[in-house]
Amino acid sequence: GQNIDQPTEMTATEGAIVQINCTYQTSGFNGLFWYQQHAGEAPTFLSYNVLDGLEEKGRFSSFLSRSKGYSYLLLKELQMKDSASYLCAVRDSRTGANNLFFGTGTRLTVIP
Amino acid sequence: NAGVMQNPRHLVRRRGQEARLRCSPMKGHSHVYWYRQLPEEGLKFMVYLQKENIIDESGMPKERFSAEFPKEGPSILRIQQVVRGDSAAYFCASSPPGQGTGNTIYFGEGSWLTVV
Repeated sequence: GQNIDQPTEMTATEGAIVQINCTYQTSGFNGLFWYQQHAGEAPTFLSYNVLDGLEEKGRFSSFLSRSKGYSYLLLKELQMKDSASYLCAVRDSRTGANNLFFGTGTRLTVIP
Repeated sequence: NAGVMQNPRHLVRRRGQEARLRCSPMKGHSHVYWYRQLPEEGLKFMVYLQKENIIDESGMPKERFSAEFPKEGPSILRIQQVVRGDSAAYFCASSPPGQGTGNTIYFGEGSWLTVV
């Protein structure tokens, strides 16, 4: 099975940097994904890591350490519109498919 | 290129009625996934389907829930004899086949079911 943990809530200031951590345990790992979900809306894909290291995409970066079962999402130059839930998910290599298993999400509130 | 299309967006049912939720995958995608999101909770995987086949239904409740993805037409998630605890957002997602680099799932806008 899969076990994914991330903090429930975080608060950060506009213009600052925030790091959202995620730890996971899975029997067959084949990728870690981050999604953003605004209240009442669909999750949207942010990033994907399958190898160790940092993937940078504009203001968002995602890091993975497979040996530690650990990832983080880094958001720079925070904007008010970044207030949303951030979902960490893993893909299980044993299924041969793309169904993802999600954590409960971290609700980020950006304050002025 | 249209995204994943779900309908209805909002559905109200009385206890004991049936709910049918539809999902058309993104063009070029042959795999469909259904997730449920209860209020204040995370997305829970329910079922994974390809055309005319259920591949993994390990997340489906044993009773009252069923899913299909026929050769023609959208995928349908069917909930019989709904109860208040079924009130949730039901998200459909689709992907191309295989776990190739960059292949991920893309979500529809969701169907919000309210049982009264």
